[in-house]
Amino acid sequence: DAKTTQPPSMDCAEGRAANLPCNHSTISGNEYVYWYRQIHSQGPQYIIHGLKNNETNEMASLIITEDRKSSTLILPHATLRDTAVYYCIAPIYNQGGKLIFGQGTELSVKP
Amino acid sequence: GAGVSQSPSNKVTEKGKDVELRCDPISGHTALYWYRQSLGQGLEFLIYFQGNSAPDKSGLPSDRFSAERTGGSVSTLTIQRTQQEDSAVYLCASSLRSTGVYNEQFFGPGTRLTVL
Repeated sequence: DAKTTQPPSMDCAEGRAANLPCNHSTISGNEYVYWYRQIHSQGPQYIIHGLKNNETNEMASLIITEDRKSSTLILPHATLRDTAVYYCIAPIYNQGGKLIFGQGTELSVKP
Repeated sequence: GAGVSQSPSNKVTEKGKDVELRCDPISGHTALYWYRQSLGQGLEFLIYFQGNSAPDKSGLPSDRFSAERTGGSVSTLTIQRTQQEDSAVYLCASSLRSTGVYNEQFFGPGTRLTVL
């Protein structure tokens, strides 16, 4: 997988936007960026993915820079239930989509 | 609809015994993945199956680990002669396909394995 770098931890106030950055400077042109999260004691949960255009779904928005070397996951109105470890992953193209997880960012949403 | 299910949810075994962990993927999902998460460690890829293709076993940590997928559905992960370092949560995931643009993977709740 393209190596991704994320800050180990972040705090966010409840109701505010949480902006989680990810660097993936070695990403190839056909490698997508995926975001998953893992709430304590649960399996990972898919959030969103994108190639080069910004993406939005009911959970989050994904902003990818024009050079594709970094991206930001945005949770527009964070709640206490969004406290989790967030993983940014770029699976190698045509290798089955296996996810190689890094350490991720531990997001703590505080009241 | 039903998600990915795994059994047992917890398994305690003695060092040296064999264990089998089961995964029932979402119906219709052709790709199936196994991962594990050791205490305080990150998630580690083990093996993946796609349809009738040969599985990608590149993540299996030793030859004591094996997995099979029967009929393109249920999968069993077998660990022979378990060691204490095998203690971890074993997670299974499935997705619609695994070529080109990869679809999201749906994870099961995991099996917590404890080797005494």
